[in-house]
Amino acid sequence: EAGVAQSPRYKIIEKRQSVAFWCNPISGHATLYWYQQILGQGPKLLIQFQNNGVVDDSQLPKDRFSAERLKGVDSTLKIQPAKLEDSAVYLCASSVTEEGQGAEAFFGQGTRLTVV
Amino acid sequence: AQSVAQPEDQVNVAEGNPLTVKCTYSVSGNPYLFWYVQYPNRGLQFLLKYITGDNLVKGSYGFEAEFNKSQTSFHLKKPSALVSDSALYFCAVRDLNSGGYQKVTFGTGTKLQVIP
Repeated sequence: EAGVAQSPRYKIIEKRQSVAFWCNPISGHATLYWYQQILGQGPKLLIQFQNNGVVDDSQLPKDRFSAERLKGVDSTLKIQPAKLEDSAVYLCASSVTEEGQGAEAFFGQGTRLTVV
Repeated sequence: AQSVAQPEDQVNVAEGNPLTVKCTYSVSGNPYLFWYVQYPNRGLQFLLKYITGDNLVKGSYGFEAEFNKSQTSFHLKKPSALVSDSALYFCAVRDLNSGGYQKVTFGTGTKLQVIP
């Protein structure tokens, strides 16, 4: 079974520039997550999709971050414009939806973003 | 709101000795608890989870965790540590958001160093 695919693996941009990350979840997984992991911290949920609908974006800085999951499969996360504090690893994950069953998430390798 | 605490930033253990990585949680309802491991430059990998049933949960790579409701703890254990177990370990707790979808909160992580 293929895992969660993310690209690019690394990205360096200047502040105020734009950047986009791509994620392809495991086939058949209805739930997709984007996490931000700052060095030395645990992953923080940015946005969660159920198929192509957003079910949680309470921690997404909506003035600069946006995400979409067209057709309920692939997803992109965009930052525009980037700030220095956005430097982090952006992790995409997916899970089989099991209502009330606590399905575990499968993570991609992440995109390491450095804003200079 | 749910939360998890990992009181130790780092745990050092000699190869062959038993290891314990501590986690305590706070959640309003029944806890669903997870352990994930992160190797350098990799995404998180699922180790095990507690949903219900036996308090001792067995997972991947010989790891197990003990759920203790009275102490609100979910410590990760392994009888005999391997050098290859050296990694970053995250405890996580699941709760449901307002829409009934699961929302997972991660701890800050514990770095495990197994000394040859």
